[in-house]
Amino acid sequence: QVQLVESGGGLVKPGGSLRLSCAASGFTFSDYYMSWIRQAPGKGLEWVSYISSSGSTIYYADSVKGRFTISRDNAKNSLYLQMNSLRAEDTAVYYCARDQPPHPFDYWGQGTLVTVSS
Amino acid sequence: DIVMTQTPLSLSVTPGQPASISCKSSQSLLHSDGKTYLYWYLQKPGQSPQLLIYEVSSRFSGVPDRFSGSGSGTDFTLKISRVEAEDVGVYYCMQGIHLPPYTFGQGTKLEIK
Repeated sequence: QVQLVESGGGLVKPGGSLRLSCAASGFTFSDYYMSWIRQAPGKGLEWVSYISSSGSTIYYADSVKGRFTISRDNAKNSLYLQMNSLRAEDTAVYYCARDQPPHPFDYWGQGTLVTVSS
Repeated sequence: DIVMTQTPLSLSVTPGQPASISCKSSQSLLHSDGKTYLYWYLQKPGQSPQLLIYEVSSRFSGVPDRFSGSGSGTDFTLKISRVEAEDVGVYYCMQGIHLPPYTFGQGTKLEIK
């Protein structure tokens, strides 16, 4: 069955960095687009970044552009989100999700919590 | 960016009764390919979101047929024909036509009376 498992979250000071990982299994990872979506505590969903199956096409939300970098390693069935210059407003649960027409975000991981605080 | 506006933001429904959630987009979600890129997700308490409906009205695999989606252009509706206790959570609509970004509605919290 499809499984997505995020890791790498934690407490970081403003201005710090963190790298999130998402391990995929149960499907041919290299065939699928992927996205990161976040949810601030008690708030709604915010799409963060997208990467195509080959990694050749990447999109970011304006709120993270220039600070976050999405990448993938199809040989390791893994998706990554490098987060730099973190701000308090980046505090959220970060989900990785499979993103493929016609079913964007048909499978989600359990999420990993990132807390940015001094 | 397209703004998605959901109403109501919360509703309380008696089991067995219907429920309806509205979602309006600031631009048409009808693509030149003839498809309309509107989706519905449910986030149950303590869980990750799950896909319910894609392209306005198609139920995703395993979604009960008491869930239905309708609408066109900029106005969309999610209906639950007979609410069950397991339907509690927050419902989100999302647009996927003008990318980036994907944008979600604010969410509608469904509670059971």
